[in-house]
Order: sequence, then C-alpha cells, then structure tokens
Amino acid sequence: DAKTTQPNSMESNEEEPVHLPCNHSTISGTDYIHWYRQLPSQGPEYVIHGLTSNVNNRMASLAIAEDRKSSTLILHRATLRDAAVYYCILRDPLTGTASKLTFGTGTRLQVTL
Amino acid sequence: DTEVTQTPKHLVMGMTNKKSLKCEQHMGHRAMYWYKQKAKKPPELMFVYSYEKLSINESVPSRFSPECPNSSLLNLHLHALQPEDSALYLCASSQDRRGLNYGYTFGSGTRLTVV
Repeated sequence: DAKTTQPNSMESNEEEPVHLPCNHSTISGTDYIHWYRQLPSQGPEYVIHGLTSNVNNRMASLAIAEDRKSSTLILHRATLRDAAVYYCILRDPLTGTASKLTFGTGTRLQVTL
Repeated sequence: DTEVTQTPKHLVMGMTNKKSLKCEQHMGHRAMYWYKQKAKKPPELMFVYSYEKLSINESVPSRFSPECPNSSLLNLHLHALQPEDSALYLCASSQDRRGLNYGYTFGSGTRLTVV
C-alpha cells in the first residue's frame, strides 16, 4: 500500500467542525482511500472510504482533492466521544490473493469542552 | 450480527505456557486477519486468511501459530512467548479478500501479558 502522511495530533473544541488532513502524493489511480479511528482501549473502527468523489455517511464526510493526492476527513460537530486516533489508509485493488490494511501513525484528536 | 468477538479479553501467561486466542464472526466475511498492537503504536498485520486458507504471513515467529477451522472462526495458538510479545492482539474480518468497497470489522482485542 502507498504511504500516507498525517499530522501527529490535533485539537478541537466540542461542537465545532474538525478537518483531519491526509497527504498521499504517491496514490495510484486505483487506490481507495479509507479512514479508520481507534478509541482508547478498543479495536479500530471503520469510518468512511472513497475513490474519487466526496462521500458522506452518518459518521463523517470525506473530501478528496481533484488530483487525489490529498484528502480530508470532516467531523461536522466534534463530541468528546470522537477523541481517538484517526488513520488514513490507502487500499490497493490487490496484489496476490488477499489484501493488506497497513496502518500509518495516524492523528490523535483531542476534543475539549 | 455485525461484530467480531474475541476471547479472552485479557490473558496473562508464562513463557513456558501454551494458550490460544479465539476470534469469531458471523457476518459471512471470507477474509480474516490477526494484528498485533504495542502501546501507543499502530496495529501491525501478522496473518491474513482468505477463504480459510493462509494467504499472508508477515514473517511472524513460529511461536505464533494461526488456524482457521472454518469460515467463522480464527484462532491464534501461542507457545513459548517472550515478554516482548506482550501486546494487544486484534482480530478483523472483511467481506471479501479485497476489502476495497467495504471496511474491515475489528474486534476489541485480547490484551496479552507474558511474564
């Protein structure tokens, strides 16, 4: 899987929007962009994914740059429960017989009152 | 059922012990994974099973032995572990071997301490 670059940490106030950036300048044309988050003492949780177009679901929105070299995960109103490590991961269509989900270092999001 | 269930949640074992970690899912997912996570580090892939066959072994030491007895179960057998093997062991599954258009579902993990 190609590499991603994320800030180590970010802070947000509760009830405010949060934009979590991810750079993936070596992305290939067929890589999917996935986001996961990991709350303290839990396993990672799938958040959202996309290929080329912006995506929305009940948890978040994903904005993908036109050249696909960067993306932004948007939490519209951060709550204390959103405090977690957020991972941006590129998934290639496949090599071999199975796929790999390779985690980078992620962004630790702190949410304060 | 949309969960991956891991047992036990906590395990303390001596370096001469043999133990097993268990993972179960009933979502019909055909790919299952073992990850290892050390404190304050991202999860690291250990093994991938696709359609009950071992597809990827990320050069994991032989003291870790995976097993996939059927499409719903994944085991990790542990023998002669070292203290540095203490970590959170995570199991995950995905709908198919690609897992592209769907996310992975992770369990909450087994926290292993080797003494």
